Amino acid sequence: RKEVEQDPGPFNVPEGATVAFNCTYSNSASQSFFWYRQDCRKEPKLLMSVYSSGNEDGRFTAQLNRASQYISLLIRDSKLSDSATYLCVVTDNNDMRFGAGTRLTVKP
Amino acid sequence: DAGVIQSPRHEVTEMGQEVTLRCKPISGHDYLFWYRQTMMRGLELLIYFNNNVPIDDSGMPEDRFSAKMPNASFSTLKIQPSEPRDSAVYFCASTETGIGYGYTFGSGTRLTVV
Repeated sequence: RKEVEQDPGPFNVPEGATVAFNCTYSNSASQSFFWYRQDCRKEPKLLMSVYSSGNEDGRFTAQLNRASQYISLLIRDSKLSDSATYLCVVTDNNDMRFGAGTRLTVKP
Repeated sequence: DAGVIQSPRHEVTEMGQEVTLRCKPISGHDYLFWYRQTMMRGLELLIYFNNNVPIDDSGMPEDRFSAKMPNASFSTLKIQPSEPRDSAVYFCASTETGIGYGYTFGSGTRLTVV
């Protein structure tokens, strides 16, 4: 089993749709969680951290479920500019592991 | 701030040649990471430094790979000799607070070994 698993997609959604991605992790001792966004042929960029209580940043909501060992990212009112690959990141004391990413395409 | 700066952006080399990738972290960031990204394996951590000292190089694929950080503002990743399976995008990232906090990535070096 991979340490960090994501559905690779692609997710193809119309503008204005709500879309959600999940990511599961295998190490129950993992401490920190993030979502990164990576545009085609560009570097990954930090989108948001994921806190135990859940957190929101505009149209983006991230949640953590430690019992089931997964994190989620919800995008509301999706825009064309949201088209990208979304990488789930899980860390413990000594390592930061990236998921393979979920590709999202938002269509007009 | 100019961000994390990597050079070259693209590198095409012949199998067997030496390749040197360069990285300048953000000033004041004490941690520097080298990652490799391929379609098959995604993003893999190769090595990271804290205050110019290599902390974990367990991700370095084999002895052909070496990395140095002679000072706080410069790091190199060297592959000698290069092989076609080394073709990938190599990213450098830095952070001031260590593993578990958001990293800033450079634009990457796209390496093609033919």
